[in-house]
Amino acid sequence: DTGVSQDPRHKITKRGQNVTFRCDPISEHNRLYWYRQTLGQGPEFLTYFQNEAQLEKSRLLSDRFSAERPKGSFSTLEIQRTEQGDSAMYLCASSLGWGNEQFFGPGTRLTVL
Amino acid sequence: GDSVTQMEGPVTLSEEAFLTINCTYTATGYPSLFWYVQYPGEGLQLLLKATKADDKGSNKGFEATYRKETTSFHLEKGSVQVSDSAVYFCALDYGGSQGNLIFGKGTKLSVKP
Repeated sequence: DTGVSQDPRHKITKRGQNVTFRCDPISEHNRLYWYRQTLGQGPEFLTYFQNEAQLEKSRLLSDRFSAERPKGSFSTLEIQRTEQGDSAMYLCASSLGWGNEQFFGPGTRLTVL
Repeated sequence: GDSVTQMEGPVTLSEEAFLTINCTYTATGYPSLFWYVQYPGEGLQLLLKATKADDKGSNKGFEATYRKETTSFHLEKGSVQVSDSAVYFCALDYGGSQGNLIFGKGTKLSVKP
């Protein structure tokens, strides 16, 4: 088991462009979470999936953000019309069911110029 | 709403010194409490957890006790090593149908030889 992986690790884009990040959870984990971490802050919850169902979304997740987990395995997070305020580390985590440890990936660092 | 407050960093200690990182929480129910650690260049890792009042979590010489009366979960280690240099995050979670962790801002620890 290689743990949670995220791709890309770094992304630099210009304001107004769309970006998409991928997360591959630990294979048997049915829960998948997205968080955002800005400099000097702790991670903030964005959304989570149980299998393919998106069960909760934070108010941080504006209309420009969309997340999918089409087959209950990997997930994608898309940001449309990026803004400089979107610059952050985007973290993915997975867990086996509720109440169990969340395992985090290394994150995707987004820089919007 | 629910929140976690950690002591401000950075914290700089000499090797073999005693470590305390304070964490208090505000929650309406009975969450589980966690300490996560982020080593330089690596993803978040669970360090220890406690799921109910008076539980003590421990790992790698670190300890924290769930104190409901003071709503605290302070992290302690009797003798720190240079390898403990990292950012430490306190977090809470209700598990169950609610998926997300709520994190503090993190405390950076630097241990000097």
